[in-house]
Amino acid sequence: GESVGLHLPTLSVQEGDNSIINCAYSNSASDYFIWYKQESGKGPQFIIDIRSNMDKRQGQRVTVLLNKTVKHLSLQIAATQPGDSAVYFCAENLGNQGGKLIFGQGTELSVKP
Amino acid sequence: SAVISQKPSRDICQRGTSLTIQCQVDSQVTMMFWYRQQPGQSLTLIATANQGSEATYESGFVIDKFPISRPNLTFSTLTVSNMSPEDSSIYLCSAATDANEKLFFGSGTQLSVL
Repeated sequence: GESVGLHLPTLSVQEGDNSIINCAYSNSASDYFIWYKQESGKGPQFIIDIRSNMDKRQGQRVTVLLNKTVKHLSLQIAATQPGDSAVYFCAENLGNQGGKLIFGQGTELSVKP
Repeated sequence: SAVISQKPSRDICQRGTSLTIQCQVDSQVTMMFWYRQQPGQSLTLIATANQGSEATYESGFVIDKFPISRPNLTFSTLTVSNMSPEDSSIYLCSAATDANEKLFFGSGTQLSVL
């Protein structure tokens, strides 16, 4: 069910620093993971994905790390910019359940100029 | 990628009324889903919109409250019925070309119920 009254964890970084956002997922059967970025007033925007047969994947300024042993996912953003300020969600595809994604609680990234 | 258009983008409604949200995808997609995002919180899956058959609802969501249509591979609607202030939320449509591919999202419908 849904939780009520939660506040998103916040990560505050200086412009130019690297950011690391962490996520714990719940289901050992999950085989596909996605990071989304959501800016105020917009829908979630795809950043990067990784499948369970990998432990690392790199994109432009972003890297996702997957540790299946402890069911942990992280998103690393290099040289963080003010435009990176947003809420970041991890999501897991439970596998064999029709493609639906279950979202983590989210982290709000604030970049100080 | 798929471009998803939702309308209305926002609405203010009276208690007891119903609102239908439309979702249009610019290409045929296999999977369509509806999510709810309450203020300051994460996304919660309401249901899977199945083309040509009844939607599949998640625990805590029922068809009488959130009827969903999906007449073809590019369009779906979500109705929020008999609204109360607790239904104030952002409702998001999403779609994927395959069950093992990334979901794309619309920009959402911001619903406020007075």
